[in-house]
Amino acid sequence: KQEVTQIPAALSVPEGENLVLNCSFTDSAIYNLQWFRQDPGKGLTSLLLIQSSQREQTSGRLNASLDKSSGRSTLYIAASQPGDSATYLCAVLETSGSRLTFGEGTQLTVNP
Amino acid sequence: GAGVSQSPSNKVTEKGKDVELRCDPISGHTALYWYRQRLGQGLEFLIYFQGNSAPDKSGLPSDRFSAERTGESVSTLTIQRTQQEDSAVYLCASSLRSLTQYFGPGTRLTVL
Repeated sequence: KQEVTQIPAALSVPEGENLVLNCSFTDSAIYNLQWFRQDPGKGLTSLLLIQSSQREQTSGRLNASLDKSSGRSTLYIAASQPGDSATYLCAVLETSGSRLTFGEGTQLTVNP
Repeated sequence: GAGVSQSPSNKVTEKGKDVELRCDPISGHTALYWYRQRLGQGLEFLIYFQGNSAPDKSGLPSDRFSAERTGESVSTLTIQRTQQEDSAVYLCASSLRSLTQYFGPGTRLTVL
């Protein structure tokens, strides 16, 4: 059974800092990996999707990497802003494409 | 274009009653997923529909839970004889095949 772990569970940083969120998964037989953002009381917003054959994806200040063989992914956020405050979720899609398995998230607070 | 919509946004019910939750996916998306997020916990996969294939129901927690989808359009998740442990936010997502999943805002279910 796939298990996804995210470290740290919570992170508080001053505005402007660069930061890294970590995600690990136990079964490397994945189809893709997605990073999501969840704001309180709202649904999930997809940030980046990395196919299993890819090593990284970038969107604006966000960069996500994937090392499938070691079961790890990182989300790098450059020049953090208070608007980045949210819970960040990592999820892996199994090869059948039928389900995403989510980590429990990292709650990020960026202080002005 | 329109995103994934879910109704109702909030539902309060008494223990033992049946409830129906509705999801309208993004037009043209062949895949539809239901997830559940209990308070303070991660997202749990419930069920997956892909086109006209048999759904993957392996995440449904008990036989009180069922879901239907008409073609590639609306889906309903039904919970019979609700229990207090069914209280959660129920999230629906849709995608093109196994690409990025787009989530709706969720239905918050409270069972008294």
